[in-house]
Amino acid sequence: DAGITQSPRHKVTETGTPVTLRCHQTENHRYMYWYRQDPGHGLRLIHYSYGVKDTDKGEVSDGYSVSRSKTEDFLLTLESATSSQTSVYFCASARDRELKNTEAFFGQGTRLTVV
Amino acid sequence: AQKITQTQPGMFVQEKEAVTLDCTYDTSDPSYGLFWYKQPSSGEMIFLIYQGSYDQQNATEGRYSLNFQKARKSANLVISASQLGDSAMYFCAMREGWVTSYDKVIFGPGTSLSVIP
Repeated sequence: DAGITQSPRHKVTETGTPVTLRCHQTENHRYMYWYRQDPGHGLRLIHYSYGVKDTDKGEVSDGYSVSRSKTEDFLLTLESATSSQTSVYFCASARDRELKNTEAFFGQGTRLTVV
Repeated sequence: AQKITQTQPGMFVQEKEAVTLDCTYDTSDPSYGLFWYKQPSSGEMIFLIYQGSYDQQNATEGRYSLNFQKARKSANLVISASQLGDSAMYFCAMREGWVTSYDKVIFGPGTSLSVIP
């Protein structure tokens, strides 16, 4: 299994404050992803990265930004947290895109509560 | 419209029995792939099985098999001989088109499975 760790695992923050979630992978995977998981919605893609400094928006990118300065690290930032961003956030990485059955490897999630 | 539908929000199964988790999908693209993931209470998403739209046979991985009915656009997960450790959320997901990147994967809302001793 890929080594993917997310930090912090739990966070409570106040509305309007900036928050940064970190994803670290040790598998040298090129592709990395940030999702949010909400009841009834499954996982929805926020942003993804296809290489160092190469990122793009996903389905629910408003209010979020990302950065990838190293292969192993992918940061998700909420510039000014809102209550609607209370969710469980998952990071994932994938080895390559040449194989149709390539699966993504997921971190254990970060539970973020915005009060 | 929902691309991936999982109509069973919660299911129960007796230990050692088989269980089928439903997944229907909506796509007009002839090339697509279907995934199933398991999410135990610890939170991580675990890949279980993959089925490509052009695959001739239904995918199997140990106790997991995928009942792929292309004309009905369904990709049901079958778990044989359920174990207590199978209690988890199960997500069906689909990737459309010839691109293989994960940014095109769409997840369903999930089904919660509880295995009863």
